[in-house]
Amino acid sequence: AQTVTQSQPEMSVQEAETVTLSCTYDTSESDYYLFWYKQPPSRQMILVIRQEAYKQQNATENRFSVNFQKAAKSFSLKISDSQLGDAAMYFCAYRSPTRGYQKVTFGTGTKLQVIP
Amino acid sequence: DTEVTQTPKHLVMGMTNKKSLKCEQHMGHRAMYWYKQKAKKPPELMFVYSYEKLSINESVPSRFSPECPNSSLLNLHLHALQPEDSALYLCASSPQTGDSNQPQHFGDGTRLSIL
Repeated sequence: AQTVTQSQPEMSVQEAETVTLSCTYDTSESDYYLFWYKQPPSRQMILVIRQEAYKQQNATENRFSVNFQKAAKSFSLKISDSQLGDAAMYFCAYRSPTRGYQKVTFGTGTKLQVIP
Repeated sequence: DTEVTQTPKHLVMGMTNKKSLKCEQHMGHRAMYWYKQKAKKPPELMFVYSYEKLSINESVPSRFSPECPNSSLLNLHLHALQPEDSALYLCASSPQTGDSNQPQHFGDGTRLSIL
């Protein structure tokens, strides 16, 4: 079974600074998908960014980018120019090709605090 | 705006009660999911429906009974729950289960408390 590890339970960043959240995963599969989700307090979980394992190019979405290292099984999220609205719990997620990609495994989460 | 709507937002029930959680989406998605999330923990998959058919049951106790009456609606029927079942229950949908790079869209969840 796949496992997803987020080694930083909590992180903090000054407003307008850059922060990197780490995620590693364990899998024997070669084809899969990775996601970062954001869950603000008492609000719904929303997608931040996604990465296809077969693509070498790192995904970017405005201030959010990833550093995808397939051989190292690492998928970190970089948030540039941090804003107060970025404060949330961030979950790394792995989507497996087995069982028709229906299974998504989430990491334990990183709580991000943004300091004004 | 939340595209996946869950009702009720909060539910308090006794261990002998029967209640249902409801989830609705009108995005034309054909895959729907139930997750359980304990405080400060990641969501844990419970059930997956694909084209209104149950495709995954992650060994969930029978006191949780899912139902997918149509492609827009997903229910979770609850009966004889235990205090440890208190959690946030999240519903999600995605276009199809085979669209592997399509993210799941989550609802706001139902916060369930068992007395």
